[in-house]
Amino acid sequence: AAGVIQSPRHLIKEKRETATLKCYPIPRHDTVYWYQQGPGQDPQFLISFYEKMQSDKGSIPDRFSAQQFSAYHSELNMSSLELGDSALYFCASSLGLGGYTFGSGTRLTVV
Amino acid sequence: AQSVAQPEDQVNVAEGNPLTVKCTYSVSGNPYLFWYVQYPNRGLQFLLKYITGDNLVKGSYGFEAEFNKSQTSFHLKKPSALVSDSALYFCAVRDDAGTASKLTFGTGTRLQVTL
Repeated sequence: AAGVIQSPRHLIKEKRETATLKCYPIPRHDTVYWYQQGPGQDPQFLISFYEKMQSDKGSIPDRFSAQQFSAYHSELNMSSLELGDSALYFCASSLGLGGYTFGSGTRLTVV
Repeated sequence: AQSVAQPEDQVNVAEGNPLTVKCTYSVSGNPYLFWYVQYPNRGLQFLLKYITGDNLVKGSYGFEAEFNKSQTSFHLKKPSALVSDSALYFCAVRDDAGTASKLTFGTGTRLQVTL
């Protein structure tokens, strides 16, 4: 079965650079969520989209933005990167009130 | 606001013994509860969920969880642990405040199964 696809798997950026993370949800899933998991931390909710509209916002810095496109794929854009942004970034998708399916994540390292 | 608590940072169990990973929840509406497992440098894998119905939920890899409304708990259990079960386990909750409601995770419990 198709899963949630995230790209790239790994990304290394320097401080103050920008990064774009991509997420391709399971076909027909209409909601996409982004989470950030720092080292040894639980996943923290960043932002979600339902039918291409932002539906909820969590602890997402102003330097980050995201959007959902047609076919429901989503991008997380991160600017003015800081060392503290180094983390595993997960995308998840869902349909209705069922469980989420998570992608394998993008490991961002800011140096 | 919804939340879950996992009171144990780590649980140690010998292979073949039963295991329990604890989770309690707090929601304003009906709780939708989930367990996920995370292996090192990997994504979150879905184990099981409780939406409604039977309080005992069976999931992947022989895991099950019991929903207890009076104790607001949703403990994860397995009758006989395997070394390969060693991983980080997260309990999560979403309330029924709309179809796009987010998951809120607990802080995770590291399960260590030894021979």
